[in-house]
Amino acid sequence: NAGVTQTPKFQVLKTGQSMTLQCAQDMNHNSMYWYRQDPGMGLRLIYYSASEGTTDKGEVPNGYNVSRLNKREFSLRLESAAPSQTSVYFCASSAMVDTQYFGPGTRLTVL
Amino acid sequence: AQSVTQLGSHVSVSEGALVLLRCNYSSSVPPYLFWYVQYPNQGLQLLLKYTSAATLVKGINGFEAEFKKSETSFHLTKPSAHMSDAAEYFCAVSNTGFQKLVFGTGTRLLVSP
Repeated sequence: NAGVTQTPKFQVLKTGQSMTLQCAQDMNHNSMYWYRQDPGMGLRLIYYSASEGTTDKGEVPNGYNVSRLNKREFSLRLESAAPSQTSVYFCASSAMVDTQYFGPGTRLTVL
Repeated sequence: AQSVTQLGSHVSVSEGALVLLRCNYSSSVPPYLFWYVQYPNQGLQLLLKYTSAATLVKGINGFEAEFKKSETSFHLTKPSAHMSDAAEYFCAVSNTGFQKLVFGTGTRLLVSP
């Protein structure tokens, strides 16, 4: 039982490049989330998916898109990366009304 | 809209001393409150949660927190710090059940021998 897994663990991009962060959970959870963590700012919600087939914007959605591929997988896409998107990205999942479980994170640097 | 304020970006204690990490919340409805811990280069792990049952909540690793509505506080305590408690701690609030958490900015706990 791996819990929440994220790939890649590290990534360096140049400004304007695109990439997709992958997240998968094996806990049969309905809800999944993407956060970014920046020094001194805590975690901020980018997008979330309350259930398969639905996605909604969080606090900081600009510059990102998401896809809930199936119940297990929730990907985050940066279409044209900017230095302001340098951050640590965390994926989380939860049952409909239960604790959120976090993945190990992806460290992204945009040059 | 709900929000969380964590007082003190860094807290230093000696091993064996009391740990007190402060969290104040703002919510227009009865909140759900959480404390998470993050060890270096890892994701967040739930320490404890308040869901309108008992106001004193016990969590893992000897931590506990007390919900005080009159003070809008949910401070985290541990009677005796251990070196392994050194980590960053985040308080979070939700007024929609367990979804859409709003996090505080975090408090880094430093434990000295």
